[in-house]
Amino acid sequence: DQQVKQNSPSLSVQEGRISILNCDYTNSMFDYFLWYKKYPAEGPTFLISISSIKDKNEDGRFTVFLNKSAKHLSLHIVPSQPGDSAVYFCAASGRGSQGNLIFGKGTKLSVKP
Amino acid sequence: GAGVSQSPSNKVTEKGKDVELRCDPISGHTALYWYRQSLGQGLEFLIYFQGNSAPDKSGLPSDRFSAERTGGSVSTLTIQRTQQEDSAVYLCASRLPGSSYNEQFFGPGTRLTVL
Repeated sequence: DQQVKQNSPSLSVQEGRISILNCDYTNSMFDYFLWYKKYPAEGPTFLISISSIKDKNEDGRFTVFLNKSAKHLSLHIVPSQPGDSAVYFCAASGRGSQGNLIFGKGTKLSVKP
Repeated sequence: GAGVSQSPSNKVTEKGKDVELRCDPISGHTALYWYRQSLGQGLEFLIYFQGNSAPDKSGLPSDRFSAERTGGSVSTLTIQRTQQEDSAVYLCASRLPGSSYNEQFFGPGTRLTVL
């Protein structure tokens, strides 16, 4: 049973517009949430994270929003750039800052020029 | 190097053979993880090493899978009597002690194909 779900396998947006990637989770005990970006034939790269006690974290063009009551988080990229085209994975950490991460299946983002 | 390195980058083997995959974590990172990604799936946790503590093996799918970490640095993942369903990209990650959000840094992976 999937604890972290990314229900959209793909998303296509125009360059300069906002990209919104969504993630749902089932375990209310998760402490941290992380987003990773993955290009083909490379390992995932850490992008941004958020603690379960926050509802927003921003880093440049990337903002992550957390809605604990809905068990939902989203990654906003604005403005989107063609170089953002990649697979984005949502991940959750269930044992504080240790232990394994639990990943969603990913969303493939395509940003068209 | 500055990042996590893995070798080989690609491995093709025949069903029933044993394989060894190697991971060199970032220097100073005491935590080391193995994950695998099958086609169209997310990353699946396999095993976790933290310093000198006993490893967390809860993600290993069968007793054909084992891993060691020597000297607190390099790790080897061994798959015995490989099966076709073992075909996947095997990813290693490491983490700094005391990281705030459990940020893990991944290597490029080893693509294993079992014929």
